[in-house]
Amino acid sequence: EAGVAQSPRYKIIEKRQSVAFWCNPISGHATLYWYQQILGQGPKLLIQFQNNGVVDDSQLPKDRFSAERLKGVDSTLKIQPAKLEDSAVYLCASSLGTATGELFFGEGSRLTVL
Amino acid sequence: AQTVTQSQPEMSVQEAETVTLSCTYDTSESDYYLFWYKQPPSRQMILVIRQEAYKQQNATENRFSVNFQKAAKSFSLKISDSQLGDAAMYFCAYKTILAGGGADGLTFGKGTHLIIQP
Repeated sequence: EAGVAQSPRYKIIEKRQSVAFWCNPISGHATLYWYQQILGQGPKLLIQFQNNGVVDDSQLPKDRFSAERLKGVDSTLKIQPAKLEDSAVYLCASSLGTATGELFFGEGSRLTVL
Repeated sequence: AQTVTQSQPEMSVQEAETVTLSCTYDTSESDYYLFWYKQPPSRQMILVIRQEAYKQQNATENRFSVNFQKAAKSFSLKISDSQLGDAAMYFCAYKTILAGGGADGLTFGKGTHLIIQP
């Protein structure tokens, strides 16, 4: 079974530039999550999708971050314009969406903002 | 809102010995799930063990077991016969139970860096 795929693995940009991360969840997984993991900290939830609808985006900085999940499969997370404090690993995870559902994580996309 | 606290930033153990990682959490809910995830360097996070709060029996998975104390809101992970491959960041995480779907993303602690000394 293929796991959660993310790209790019690494990205370096200047502040005020834009960047986009892509995630392809495990086939059949209805729920998709984006997490931000700053160095030395635990992951923090940015947004949760159920199929192609947003369930929770309370911690997403909406002035610069946006995310979409077209057709309820792939998802894209965009940052525009980037700030220095956005340097982090962006993790995508998916689950079947059941109450006991384990989250399966991708390898993450590491962003460095200079 | 729920919070998860891991008070040990780093732990070190000799290969083949036993180590216990601590985790406490705060919640007003009576039913929930607790997890331990392992994150090796530059690799994806994987599930180590899961505990349902309504179950009194502590979960075990081979060399990994938990000590779940619901009243104390404590959820520690014991790793027996430590192996070099166990070296990683370990995260404790909380998941709410919601009927009919809804916001149920994991709340993570800050992690414990486990070092295995040969």
